[in-house]
Amino acid sequence: EAGVAQSPRYKIIEKRQSVAFWCNPISGHATLYWYQQILGQGPKLLIQFQNNGVVDDSQLPKDRFSAERLKGVDSTLKIQPAKLEDSAVYLCASSLGLASRSYYGYTFGSGTRLTVV
Amino acid sequence: AQSVSQHNHHVILSEAASLELGCNYSYGGTVNLFWYVQYPGQHLQLLLKYFSGDPLVKGIKGFEAEFIKSKFSFNLRKPSVQWSDTAEYFCAVNNAGNMLTFGGGTRLMVKP
Repeated sequence: EAGVAQSPRYKIIEKRQSVAFWCNPISGHATLYWYQQILGQGPKLLIQFQNNGVVDDSQLPKDRFSAERLKGVDSTLKIQPAKLEDSAVYLCASSLGLASRSYYGYTFGSGTRLTVV
Repeated sequence: AQSVSQHNHHVILSEAASLELGCNYSYGGTVNLFWYVQYPGQHLQLLLKYFSGDPLVKGIKGFEAEFIKSKFSFNLRKPSVQWSDTAEYFCAVNNAGNMLTFGGGTRLMVKP
């Protein structure tokens, strides 16, 4: 099966600019996640969608970050305006559903590496 | 809130040495436990998982992990590492909400 697709792979922007990342999950996966992985740290959940609804966005810096999954399939994550500390890899993941014991965890995409200069 | 601690940030081993990476979590309820691996330049991949049953779980590539509930631990082991095991290893836990909480990762370097 096709994996989780993310684009772009790399992005370099200046601080205060805006940027958007795109994710297409595995077909049929209802749950989609965006994680932020800062160099030297483990991934941190930013937002979790179930179909087109937000399940958890408690760790999303809402003053500058936004995400949507309008049709319950692909998703975009936007940062506006970007700060230097937003430099990180942004990972998208999908799973069959919430607390799905029949699924072996998540499937992660390759991520988008953002550098803010 | 749940949290995950990986005490070894960097580990350097020679080929054929045994490996044990520590993972401790804090959460009072029922959790599912995972180990993920990230090879250089690649995406996160699942090594193994524990949901219930036998606390000793076997994963891919000869890895295994033991869940010790009384110690809130889920340590990863491999009897004999190979150069190709050089990667970063992440322990993760989730609860019924299916949100994954990751540890800070352990970077393993295996010398040929």
